[in-house]
Amino acid sequence: EAGVTQFPSHSVIEKGQTVTLRCDPISGHDNLYWYRRVMGKEIKFLLHFVKESKQDESGMPNNRFLAERTGGTYSTLKVQPAELEDSGVYFCASSRTLAGGPTDTQYFGPGTRLTVL
Amino acid sequence: DAKTTQPPSMDCAEGRAANLPCNHSTISGNEYVYWYRQIHSQGPQYIIHGLKNNETNEMASLIITEDRKSSTLILPHATLRDTAVYYCIVRFDTGANSKLTFGKGITLSVRP
Repeated sequence: EAGVTQFPSHSVIEKGQTVTLRCDPISGHDNLYWYRRVMGKEIKFLLHFVKESKQDESGMPNNRFLAERTGGTYSTLKVQPAELEDSGVYFCASSRTLAGGPTDTQYFGPGTRLTVL
Repeated sequence: DAKTTQPPSMDCAEGRAANLPCNHSTISGNEYVYWYRQIHSQGPQYIIHGLKNNETNEMASLIITEDRKSSTLILPHATLRDTAVYYCIVRFDTGANSKLTFGKGITLSVRP
């Protein structure tokens, strides 16, 4: 079974540009999460999709970040316009929904390292 | 804010057991204890989780105290490849509250 995949693995852009990160969850996982780690800080939650719906977007830092999951499969996270403080590693995770509603263990992708110059 | 506290670092000798402690004194009855680790800058890797009972899998054992206020992750025979940051996390399993809240974790260094 393929794990969570993320693309690209690295992205270097200039301040003010736009970048789109992609996450492909494990097949059959309804839940998809985005997290990020900025330099010197802890890994922080950004948002949670259940299928195509946003269940929790309390961690999104501001309106320059837009996450989508059309069709309930892969997800994209767009940063527009990028700022210097957006540099960091963006992780995606996915999990199943178990019978009765609980969510199962989250499995993480390798991350996308974003550098904004 | 993370609901767990862990020592910042520890080390152990290769081949010996590594016992990583975690305090979660405010854990609620329906919160699980999860352990993940991060090797270098790779994505966090799931290790094990539990609710009340002790758990064991091919990677590790999880010992949860009877009052559930603390737990210990045991790597029975640590290898150099187990050098990583280990995160103890408590979380609900319901959809609306299933996010993971990472703290600083504990850096385990396995020495030859």
